[in-house]
Amino acid sequence: RKEVEQDPGPFNVPEGATVAFNCTYSNSASQSFFWYRQDCRKEPKLLMSVYSSGNEDGRFTAQLNRASQYISLLIRDSKLSDSATYLCVVNPPGGDMRFGAGTRLTVKP
Amino acid sequence: DTGVSQNPRHKITKRGQNVTFRCDPISEHNRLYWYRQTLGQGPEFLTYFQNEAQLEKSRLLSDRFSAERPKGSFSTLEIQRTEQGDSAMYLCASSLTGLEAFFGQGTRLTVV
Repeated sequence: RKEVEQDPGPFNVPEGATVAFNCTYSNSASQSFFWYRQDCRKEPKLLMSVYSSGNEDGRFTAQLNRASQYISLLIRDSKLSDSATYLCVVNPPGGDMRFGAGTRLTVKP
Repeated sequence: DTGVSQNPRHKITKRGQNVTFRCDPISEHNRLYWYRQTLGQGPEFLTYFQNEAQLEKSRLLSDRFSAERPKGSFSTLEIQRTEQGDSAMYLCASSLTGLEAFFGQGTRLTVV
């Protein structure tokens, strides 16, 4: 089993749609979690951290389910500019950060 | 610019040659990570440092790969006897312990 698994997509959605991504992780002792966004041929950039209580940043909502070992990202009212690859990142006890393979999102007019 | 800096941005080398990449992290960050990314894949962990100590190396990192962070500041990643399969984007990131990592723009290696 991979340490971090994501649905690779692609997800093709119309503008204004709501889309959700899930990510599962194998190490139950993992301590911190993040969602990163990566545009084509660019470096990953932090989108948001994921807190145990769940957190929201504008149109983006992240949730953590420790019992089931998954995190999710919900994007509401999708914009064309949301088109990118979304990477799930898990920080296991060793301290290194492990990335999922990414979920590709394309928002169409 | 106080972000993570990587040099060179691009490197084309002949198979069998050695290459070295440099990463300058954000100055107060104690952790430094190296990743490799190929097209359509997420970044693959290679190794990371806590200050000058190399704490973990991935199984992906063959004995042709070596990384150093001699004074706990900048880091170098060397690949000896390059192979075509080494062609990829090499990404460096830095962070404070347990917090989010910030990435450099990467070094794109092409082995011909």
